[in-house]
Formats: sequence, structure tokens, C-alpha cells
Amino acid sequence: EIVLTQSPATLSLSPGERATLSCRASQSVSTYLAWYQQKPGQAPRLLIYDASNRAPGLPARFSGSGSGTDFTLTISSPEPEDSAVYYCQQRSDWPSITFGQGTRLEIK
Amino acid sequence: EVQLVESGGGLVKPGGSLRLSCAASGFTFSLYGMNWVRQAPGKGLEWVSSSSSSSSYKYYADSVRGRFTISRDNAKNSLYLQMNSLRGEDTAVYYCARDLQDTLTGYQPPYLQHWGQGTLITVSS
Repeated sequence: EIVLTQSPATLSLSPGERATLSCRASQSVSTYLAWYQQKPGQAPRLLIYDASNRAPGLPARFSGSGSGTDFTLTISSPEPEDSAVYYCQQRSDWPSITFGQGTRLEIK
Repeated sequence: EVQLVESGGGLVKPGGSLRLSCAASGFTFSLYGMNWVRQAPGKGLEWVSSSSSSSSYKYYADSVRGRFTISRDNAKNSLYLQMNSLRGEDTAVYYCARDLQDTLTGYQPPYLQHWGQGTLITVSS
């Protein structure tokens, strides 16, 4: 099973301060990686797929990069509404998909 | 607008059974793979099971294989999860989720674009 390790566990920033979230895979997943955002009491929302493709309607301040084992989700100028838990997910190891343990982002 | 509405959650005793349903609307259900993902209270996301659009392919996490069965009825735009031999560690919110891509060019491993609001399963005596 491919293990995804996210860092940091928690990130606290001020509005407008660039956010950089990391996801590291235990073995190469090529670019078969997605990012999700989950706010309290809500279902997850797909943000990025195939490492760098933005989901429809996603604000341009969100971007993804990386390949192989190291991936980054960047929020260029976060807003308070971006406070949430962010998860990465791989689909390289099909028929199994796995999620990272999440990074909690606080913007205040 | 894509909508996914889960139902069937509740309290069940260890060893018991439960059947979840997911009613889909706003898209051509028969063209998309569908999935179940769960989230234990205060924990992260765990993939449970996936079904291809025609039910030809069904996949399960090791933690539920042999106990859970995924099915779908394309005529009713509905996805199901039959859960047997339930354990305490199955306690979670269960989400129904639709694949990002349709299967017109072939079934691909899922990214999960649309999610329901979830239904809570509590396994406790």
C-alpha cells in the first residue's frame, strides 16, 4: 500500500501569506495525485487532480505541483474562507486509493 | 446540478447489518463510476469501495472485503452499500462520491469530484 504523508500537520497563517502544503508518497505515484479541501461539517471538495490540474470553478489562487513522490499544494494568497483540512489522494496503486492524514490550515 | 443524497445510516450492534443508499441526480448516472468513502469521527478519509459504471468491476478496501458489497441500479440512479458483520471500527460517516471522469473513454481509477453530505453509521452495543 502506498502511504501518503502530509506536512505540516497544522499551518497557521495570516490572510495573504502564501500557504505551502506538502504530500510525500512512500513510492512513486507519477502524477496520479489529487488534493481535497474539507471544511467542518462538510464533505470534501476536489481541488486538484493529476497533480496540477485545477477542478472546474477552483479559484486561481490554488495550484498544485510535483511528480513521483513529492507534491505541493500552494495557495498564493489565502483568504479566511480557505481555513480547512486538506487531504492528498493517490490513484496510482489501483485497485486501491489512499489518502494522506491531512493538513489543517488556519487563516486568521 | 449534481446531487448525491445518502440514506440508511444509524445505530447498529456489532455483528449486525445495514444497507446504505445513494440517490444521484443532475448527471447521467450510467456513465460514471461511483464510490464509497468513510471518515471515522475526528479522523481522515478512507476509501471503502468502487463500482464501474456498468457494475462490471467492483473493488474493495482490504478492511471491508468479504463483509461489504457495493451495487448499483442504473435505472434508478442509485448506488448501494450492503454492510454485514459490522464492527466498532466501521463507525464513521459514509460518503457516496462520483468519479471525476465519465467512462466514455474507458474506466479509470477514481478521483472524486462530487460528494454527498454523508450518513453516519454507529456500531455499538
